[in-house]
Amino acid sequence: EILLTQSPGTLSLSPGESATLSCRASQSFNTIFLAWYQQRPGQSPRLLIYATSSRATGVPDRFSGSGSGTDFTLTISRLEPEDFAVYYCQQYAGSPWTFGQGTKVEVK
Amino acid sequence: QVQLQESGPGLVKPSGTLSLTCSLSGGSVDSGSYYWSWIRQPPGKGLEWIGYIYYTGSTDYNPSLKSRVTVSLDTSNNQFSLNLKSVTAADTSVYYCARGTRYNYFDYWGQGTLVTVSS
Repeated sequence: EILLTQSPGTLSLSPGESATLSCRASQSFNTIFLAWYQQRPGQSPRLLIYATSSRATGVPDRFSGSGSGTDFTLTISRLEPEDFAVYYCQQYAGSPWTFGQGTKVEVK
Repeated sequence: QVQLQESGPGLVKPSGTLSLTCSLSGGSVDSGSYYWSWIRQPPGKGLEWIGYIYYTGSTDYNPSLKSRVTVSLDTSNNQFSLNLKSVTAADTSVYYCARGTRYNYFDYWGQGTLVTVSS
């Protein structure tokens, strides 16, 4: 099973600032197998990024993904009020598909 | 527009069986392009993939739950279902159904349903 470790656990930032979220895997895999989701309070997760850097339909371009091997990053430039949420990475390189434990982006 | 909706009891007794159904609109569960998954989230915690079913009926389950889980397909009603037997309080979670792409990232999710295991 591929374990994903996200850091930091919580990121305290102000609107307009940039956020950098990390996802580290227990083993290396192809970049096509990494996704990011956003979960606002009381809502279902929403797909943001797939294949490490491809934005899902309707996702603003202030969200970007990068990485390779075991280290992946989600960057949110110019935080908007609706971006304060929990973010999860997910690998689909090998079953069972697994998620990181999440990074909460909160208002400072 | 694709929409997924979970339904089922919100309360299950310990040692009982949790049964949920996911109804799909705006698409077909017998499409060969997608996998139909269940994912759960204990209150205040992270996401755990439970398992999926493909239109052929083939399944894959998380080994941590495999001995207790069955996912099935009902193409006539455009639904798929989850059965989880021998439940304990640790199975209390919000349960989501989701559409997995051919690579198994999840592009559509249901709103989720809270299932509490308690006597």
